[in-house]
Amino acid sequence: DGGITQSPKYLFRKEGQNVTLSCEQNLNHDAMYWYRQDPGQGLRLIYYSQIVNDFQKGDIAEGYSVSREKKESFPLTVTSAQKNPTAFYLCASLQNSNQPQHFGDGTRLSIL
Amino acid sequence: AQRVTQPEKLLSVFKGAPVELKCNYSYSGSPELFWYVQYSRQRLQLLLRHISRESIKGFTADLNKGETSFHLKKPFAQEEDSAMYYCALRAETFTGANSKLTFGKGITLSVRP
Repeated sequence: DGGITQSPKYLFRKEGQNVTLSCEQNLNHDAMYWYRQDPGQGLRLIYYSQIVNDFQKGDIAEGYSVSREKKESFPLTVTSAQKNPTAFYLCASLQNSNQPQHFGDGTRLSIL
Repeated sequence: AQRVTQPEKLLSVFKGAPVELKCNYSYSGSPELFWYVQYSRQRLQLLLRHISRESIKGFTADLNKGETSFHLKKPFAQEEDSAMYYCALRAETFTGANSKLTFGKGITLSVRP
């Protein structure tokens, strides 16, 4: 099922390096979300955006940054300040409150 | 603040056995509850939501406000039900911050032949 595309599927980061994860959707959804998935932790919200040029911190925003310059794109940057970045990152989007969130395939980030 | 609790990490049953995946929540208002499923090598997808009151793939879940629970049930498990299941809560109004989902930690269901 298309709609939300995350890239790359696998990403490796060196110590002290920033990396950016891509999330694109062609569903014309207003809201977009970034989650981090760790074994035994479930999904935890990093950042979310209700509309273009606006975003809010989620529960674990420290060490991450986002931008929302276009409706269809919501990239996530994992900065060097994030001390434990190894995880599976999921992007989601939502049209309105009556609909469920749709998820991408995810990006697995590992530290070299 | 809202919270979702899935007390078990793993449930292993034989094919044909009944399944109940537990979910309890904490929220002061009227929440919307969801069950999401993640099959091996597939993306996270919605299984069902309480406002739809429907059965998907033989699964049902009833919102019990008195017990603040939304347990997922299936009378006869199939091998293809093996997956990771997440319970999630969304606050009652869509006013910016309230559209976000709060997830439980998830439970792995393993159905043996």
